[in-house]
Amino acid sequence: DGGITQSPKYLFRKEGQNVTLSCEQNLNHDAMYWYRQDPGQGLRLIYYSQIVNDFQKGDIAEGYSVSREKKESFPLTVTSAQKNPTAFYLCASSDWNNEQFFGPGTRLTVL
Amino acid sequence: QKEVEQNSGPLSVPEGAIASLNCTYSDRGSQSFFWYRQYSGKSPELIMSIYSNGDKEDGRFTAQLNKASQYVSLLIRDSQPSDSATYLCAVSSGNTPLVFGKGTRLSVIA
Repeated sequence: DGGITQSPKYLFRKEGQNVTLSCEQNLNHDAMYWYRQDPGQGLRLIYYSQIVNDFQKGDIAEGYSVSREKKESFPLTVTSAQKNPTAFYLCASSDWNNEQFFGPGTRLTVL
Repeated sequence: QKEVEQNSGPLSVPEGAIASLNCTYSDRGSQSFFWYRQYSGKSPELIMSIYSNGDKEDGRFTAQLNKASQYVSLLIRDSQPSDSATYLCAVSSGNTPLVFGKGTRLSVIA
């Protein structure tokens, strides 16, 4: 099956801890994205990558980091510098026509 | 700052009626327009793409685009309770990330 997978589905973080969210796609898409969604709110872009070994900051990059070493993978690290990380994190990918497809999401909670 | 505006709702329609969801955007250079459906607690699902002025139909869904008025809409015919969700409008200007509206919550009453 072609698609986007995210893991874990639920993640709990202690104060001061870094955590990494996984995103993998087998759609052969060049571009990948990370969004954050807070309850009752819209999507906010954290980082995006249009090609391997290159990525750009989105609107709310502070406290987050990413890497794009492989076309299929775009992991997101939530660092201790992110003071309010509790949210629903969504990964997406797109091809040349900019149709974005989303993974199932990771729900992160700070304990 | 590129913006996409949607009425947050909730928009309530009776079962079997037509639901009309509207979206306006600020960037005149926008080229691609998308509608996503998001059920509570789930990720957004792409339901319609439209790239040129006019109507595009897919089953019970019709997307309408008017670039002169910077307006895109989604019509859902014969609305069902299973259509109850938040609908996100997204707009693209060439090779840049999509700009999403905050969504309109639709409630279809049986």
